[in-house]
Amino acid sequence: GQQVMQIPQYQHVQEGEDFTTYCNSSTTLSNIQWYKQRPGGHPVFLIQLVKSGEVKKQKRLTFQFGEAKKNSSLHITATQTTDVGTYFCAGNQGGKLIFGQGTELSVKP
Amino acid sequence: DGGITQSPKYLFRKEGQNVTLSCEQNLNHDAMYWYRQDPGQGLRLIYYSQIVNDFQKGDIAEGYSVSREKKESFPLTVTSAQKNPTAFYLCASSVGTSVASLEQYFGPGTRLTVT
Repeated sequence: GQQVMQIPQYQHVQEGEDFTTYCNSSTTLSNIQWYKQRPGGHPVFLIQLVKSGEVKKQKRLTFQFGEAKKNSSLHITATQTTDVGTYFCAGNQGGKLIFGQGTELSVKP
Repeated sequence: DGGITQSPKYLFRKEGQNVTLSCEQNLNHDAMYWYRQDPGQGLRLIYYSQIVNDFQKGDIAEGYSVSREKKESFPLTVTSAQKNPTAFYLCASSVGTSVASLEQYFGPGTRLTVT
């Protein structure tokens, strides 16, 4: 079936450490989106990647889309306590947006 | 303020009862969606609508029903046929009708508990 696998499921870091979450699809994606959901909140759109090999940055966040458009990553440099939450990728597979399971990030001050 | 509203925030029902969750948007978005979120899982699409008076089943439509009589409203009914209705329900919308390639705006969600 259509799936977007996201790892790890949980990540606990010390404030100031880096964090990366990965998404993988068995099929080519037309585009991939990233969302952040704070504890008790709702998902908020972060970014969309469309082109093969695309890299986009938002302050300490770096998003990459693989050359084959089957994988993507989100990297946070020097995490802060405000980064806590669950990060979801969502891949466009044949016109359907399929969400990964999410990576829950906790940051210890 | 533009946005999506969902009500109520928390809802409790007895097993065997139908319940309708409200979703309203004033963003003038064409497409609206309903997702279900369970612990440790991603969002799963229940239904979506790209235009008034039309809607499509998502991946887990069984036990749910929707209507789209107005552009700004997309209520979801959780019927007694839904085997595991307790979950966090999220409504979303996007401008245009290309449902998988546009930013989705989410409402605050309704947490439904059925006992």
